[in-house]
Amino acid sequence: AQRVTQPEKLLSVFKGAPVELKCNYSYSGSPELFWYVQYSRQRLQLLLRHISRESIKGFTADLNKGETSFHLKKPFAQEEDSAMYYCALRSFQKLVFGTGTRLLVSP
Amino acid sequence: DGGITQSPKYLFRKEGQNVTLSCEQNLNHDAMYWYRQDPGQGLRLIYYSQIVNDFQKGDIAEGYSVSREKKESFPLTVTSAQKNPTAFYLCASRRTAPGEPQHFGDGTRLSIL
Repeated sequence: AQRVTQPEKLLSVFKGAPVELKCNYSYSGSPELFWYVQYSRQRLQLLLRHISRESIKGFTADLNKGETSFHLKKPFAQEEDSAMYYCALRSFQKLVFGTGTRLLVSP
Repeated sequence: DGGITQSPKYLFRKEGQNVTLSCEQNLNHDAMYWYRQDPGQGLRLIYYSQIVNDFQKGDIAEGYSVSREKKESFPLTVTSAQKNPTAFYLCASRRTAPGEPQHFGDGTRLSIL
């Protein structure tokens, strides 16, 4: 069965520290993976997708098929990065979401 | 994404009542989705539609119903059969091309009186 696992409910770091939000998936085909972010009082929005291999707001994520992971990384966290982050896997025409990780960046 | 509008923002329901949540999009997207968001559970798919007049059940369709009579509109009805309807409901849409992400609305918070 398709599944997305985000093992950390909460990740708390200080400003300027590196951040890694973990995401592991199980999928038998070729995965299509996304990271979505939800800032306080804002709608859920796309942060990045693996096929674009882009860096958005300093975040990157690399698909590791051997480890079935798609961890989200940023070298220096900012206070404005505080939000809820969801990893998602496209399975046929549906998105399967992880349970989310809340990132808190303290000054 | 200003192109997806959910209404109302807050909705209250009495026990035994059906309520309908509205979702409209002007992005010309073929596919539309309804999710339920509960604390600690992420987003769970209720129903989705890839084309007008067709829709499929998601993972938690029991107690819900939908219609897709127009491309722009995908209303969700929460029926009295849904035993735990209090939640935050999110609507999304996307173009059905490879790699295209889903775009979300602001959500509707439903509470039972």
